[in-house]
Amino acid sequence: EDQVTQSPEALRLQEGESSSLNCSYTVSGLRGLFWYRQDPGKGPEFLFTLYSAGEEKEKERLKATLTKKESFLHITAPKPEDSATYLCAGVDSNYQLIWGAGTKLIIKP
Amino acid sequence: DVKVTQSSRYLVKRTGEKVFLECVQDMDHENMFWYRQDPGLGLRLIYFSYDVKMKEKGDIPEGYSVSREKKERFSLILESASTNQTSMYLCASRGPSFNEQYFGPGTRLTVT
Repeated sequence: EDQVTQSPEALRLQEGESSSLNCSYTVSGLRGLFWYRQDPGKGPEFLFTLYSAGEEKEKERLKATLTKKESFLHITAPKPEDSATYLCAGVDSNYQLIWGAGTKLIIKP
Repeated sequence: DVKVTQSSRYLVKRTGEKVFLECVQDMDHENMFWYRQDPGLGLRLIYFSYDVKMKEKGDIPEGYSVSREKKERFSLILESASTNQTSMYLCASRGPSFNEQYFGPGTRLTVT
């Protein structure tokens, strides 16, 4: 069965403390992987699409990478405004999304 | 700018009521989706539509139906609301095949 697992469930960092969020997947015929950011009470906001192993995408303090088994969202020198829940989703062979449960990131000033 | 709107941000209904959730997108997208989101479970697909008057069941369609009479509008219907349908409901739209989905702000539905 296709599955996407995110870890940790929650991560608390001090402002400026870099870290990584993990998204491991078993999705047959994976066509790609999406990362989204979700603020409390709002809909998810698109961040990145990764299509193949070895690919990297960057946006401000965020960098997403993809291997054959997992994806990482690296956050460098985070600020309090980076606090949110980060979701990843694998795209299967039918273009359907398999969603992870998310990692709640809290950045303390 | 991309926009997906949902008819209500918060909704409180009683058990057994018929509930309509509406979603409108202004991007001329063919594909539209309804999800529910519950803590620890991630997003679960209820129904999706790839064209006007077309619909496909997602992973958890039981207790729900949908309607798509116009390209820009996709409605989710709870025929007889139950307490286990208390959740955050998210609508999304997407252009052709492999593009990202754009989400609305969500409707938090409480069934008492």
